[in-house]
Amino acid sequence: QVQLQESGPGLVKPSETLSLTCTVSGGSVSSGSYYWSWIRQPPGKGLEWIGYIYYSGSTNYNPSLKSRVTISVDTSKNQFSLKLSSVTAADTAVYYCARVGVGIYYMDVWGKGTTVTVSS
Amino acid sequence: QSVLTQPPSASGTPGQRVTISCSGSSSNIGSNTVNWYQQLPGTAPKLLIYSNNQRPSGVPDRFSGSKSGTSASLAISGLQSEDEAHYYCAAWDDSLNGPVFGGGTKLTVL
Repeated sequence: QVQLQESGPGLVKPSETLSLTCTVSGGSVSSGSYYWSWIRQPPGKGLEWIGYIYYSGSTNYNPSLKSRVTISVDTSKNQFSLKLSSVTAADTAVYYCARVGVGIYYMDVWGKGTTVTVSS
Repeated sequence: QSVLTQPPSASGTPGQRVTISCSGSSSNIGSNTVNWYQQLPGTAPKLLIYSNNQRPSGVPDRFSGSKSGTSASLAISGLQSEDEAHYYCAAWDDSLNGPVFGGGTKLTVL
């Protein structure tokens, strides 16, 4: 049973960089069958796709966030990570990592989510 | 503003059948399959329906999905109190090369 677990600071100051890590257990981030994705949900709002990474390191980002986002993968630690720079209060959200099947394009496994608040 | 359009709310009484609509465009629903996620209060979304009308193991057959053209719908029959949740539609978008979501529908069981 694959499980995903987000980790990282719950509070980030405006203009700084948000950094989160997703640890994969029960499966391998090196699997060629999946993209590894980040999705966020502002308080009381809907879901927003941030981006995804393939085990090879190839990435795709939401154009609305592309200039500020970097997603990376560490196959030795079975983890993938999110960095979002120059954050503002609008980046306050629950951040989820999720697994997306290549070619089937749905998120079948989600982490529990981690709340990140941007405030001074 | 979400790419896919859903009604913000829906409601029904126990035992009733309710449907939730989802509207998109040719670059997402029109050319890819639709998935539905259920989000219970305070929890992560959970895959409810995939590939338009398929249920993952463990999802009751009270839940069903359909798609026609650039629209899709989720139907819940025999409504139960535990179905009270937010429901999100999603589809891959060829222009984005990534998933797009609806704004979510809050289902209330009266």
